[in-house]
Amino acid sequence: NAGVTQTPKFQVLKTGQSMTLQCAQDMNHNSMYWYRQDPGMGLRLIYYSASEGTTDKGEVPNGYNVSRLNKREFSLRLESAAPSQTSVYFCASSALSPPEAFFGQGTRLTVV
Amino acid sequence: AQSVTQLGSHVSVSEGALVLLRCNYSSSVPPYLFWYVQYPNQGLQLLLKYTTGATLVKGINGFEAEFKKSETSFHLTKPSAHMSDAAEYFCAVNTFNQFYFGTGTSLTVIP
Repeated sequence: NAGVTQTPKFQVLKTGQSMTLQCAQDMNHNSMYWYRQDPGMGLRLIYYSASEGTTDKGEVPNGYNVSRLNKREFSLRLESAAPSQTSVYFCASSALSPPEAFFGQGTRLTVV
Repeated sequence: AQSVTQLGSHVSVSEGALVLLRCNYSSSVPPYLFWYVQYPNQGLQLLLKYTTGATLVKGINGFEAEFKKSETSFHLTKPSAHMSDAAEYFCAVNTFNQFYFGTGTSLTVIP
């Protein structure tokens, strides 16, 4: 009963470096999401994927790319990290109906 | 566009007192509604959800919420606060397969 697994849990990057955040779910959900959480701003959607092979931009997609590798996995890539991307990142998955988001434990990313 | 408003970013209650966390939403279609709880350095966990049927929804840890369509509200309540309830609470709506979250309410429980 792993649910949603995110790696890594912590990461420090220098400005301009790249990295990929990994997310996998074992609940056979069609929908997957990437959010960032910043103090006082709640969760903001970066990208989501309604099904394998499809991705769509959310509220704050600039500076990020995603890949829905298969039904289980949805990765988030920062091509050139900036200090403004310092945040906690959460991956979530959900069935279509009825929907219910299941979250990973988060990745705490610091860009210096 | 959908939006979720949580009134009060910080709420303090005494142990044993009523907990009331407010949530209002805007939605062009009947939404699915959720409350999630987040403990420090953890992910979000589902407290309760409204999908269809009874408008009073009971969740884990003694929490409940009532969907009031006329008021576009989904307030969270618990009759008696416990120290372990101290956490961040998020209201969310889902329409067209997208989740929209409020900015959160931090609950402090005073002994």
